[in-house]
Amino acid sequence: SQQGEEDPQALSIQEGENATMNCSYKTSINNLQWYRQNSGRGLVHLILIRSNEREKHSGRLRVTLDTSKKSSSLLITASRAADTASYFCATTTGANSKLTFGKGITLSVRP
Amino acid sequence: NAGVTQTPKFRVLKTGQSMTLLCAQDMNHEYMYWYRQDPGMGLRLIHYSVGEGTTAKGEVPDGYNVSRLKKQNFLLGLESAAPSQTSVYFCASGGKETQYFGPGTRLLVL
Repeated sequence: SQQGEEDPQALSIQEGENATMNCSYKTSINNLQWYRQNSGRGLVHLILIRSNEREKHSGRLRVTLDTSKKSSSLLITASRAADTASYFCATTTGANSKLTFGKGITLSVRP
Repeated sequence: NAGVTQTPKFRVLKTGQSMTLLCAQDMNHEYMYWYRQDPGMGLRLIHYSVGEGTTAKGEVPDGYNVSRLKKQNFLLGLESAAPSQTSVYFCASGGKETQYFGPGTRLLVL
């Protein structure tokens, strides 16, 4: 069963705009990660935030985590056409390293 | 470094046939995973391994077997393929946190 659920399911924006994607989860987590998948390719790790962290940055990416609401958001600033992809949140829980993925968000960035 | 590689890239099987998907990683990772990805379902974990010689079931293990005889390789076997196993299969390796994915194997079972 999916632990994370992303919102919205699909997002279409203009190049240069910011893209915000949300993820909600059900149980306590160790960390939450965001991955990107380009069409026909494998997933690529973007950023990881631990349960005791509230915000992290990596280049044009900003991720926040609200453990009281069991939610996370991924912000991509100044989007580019190359950001067009599917984005997945994934969580780890307990003592193991298994990731539980959401169903993903399809982001389209129009040139 | 090649990272994570998967063989084959694409395969068509008839119902009842068997096949083995090979995953290889050159990053000396302890953990390896097999997922399937179906439209609208995200990725679901089939089996995983926390070290050479160990395997464990994931969320959807039925109809699949795995082996990890060498640290760098993780094999996924389908003994008797069914149309419900039509999917894209991804292998991943990693430490305790981040996972690195292969390019995927597209499998069609007729």
